[in-house]
Amino acid sequence: DAGVTQSPTHLIKTRGQQVTLRCSPKSGHDTVSWYQQALGQGPQFIFQYYEEEERQRGNFPDRFSGHQFPNYSSELNVNALLLGDSALYLCASSTIGGSGNTIYFGEGSWLTVV
Amino acid sequence: EDQVTQSPEALRLQEGESSSLNCSYTVSGLRGLFWYRQDPGKGPEFLFTLYSAGEEKEKERLKATLTKKESFLHITAPKPEDSATYLCAVNTDKLIFGTGTRLQVFP
Repeated sequence: DAGVTQSPTHLIKTRGQQVTLRCSPKSGHDTVSWYQQALGQGPQFIFQYYEEEERQRGNFPDRFSGHQFPNYSSELNVNALLLGDSALYLCASSTIGGSGNTIYFGEGSWLTVV
Repeated sequence: EDQVTQSPEALRLQEGESSSLNCSYTVSGLRGLFWYRQDPGKGPEFLFTLYSAGEEKEKERLKATLTKKESFLHITAPKPEDSATYLCAVNTDKLIFGTGTRLQVFP
């Protein structure tokens, strides 16, 4: 049983460019959440997708957008990249109504903006 | 405002020297408290979920406990391979993380 998979693992972009990160949730999970983790910090919630809709959103600008596909996989898009967007981007998968469920993370995508 | 605070920020232990990590929280609508282990450059690895005060869970040398305001991660007779950052998070339909405790265990 594959866990949460993310791609790419590392990438370097230039300021002003756009990036797309991808995530496939754990088998049996229908909810995908995205987090940003800066060096030395805990992960910060970006948004959550369920049934192909953005269910809730953290304190991130509209440059951050996402999508969920019918097979539950998800994409995170960041436009007009800033140096401060350099971070580890983590995807978490779970099932909705999650108080009784475990939330699993992928290995993340390291984004460096130069 | 929902908040999670972890202490200490860093902890150095001799192999076999037991200790505890603390996670205090202020949150409304708690739907579970999670502990994760994170190795450098990797994603968080799930350890435990606790749901109610008084609950305890164990895995190898780790034991997690929960009260109404805080959680402890007890590590008994740690080994160098236990060196990692330990993250605590509260679930309010999204995870709110602390900044973690960096644990180093020396032989």
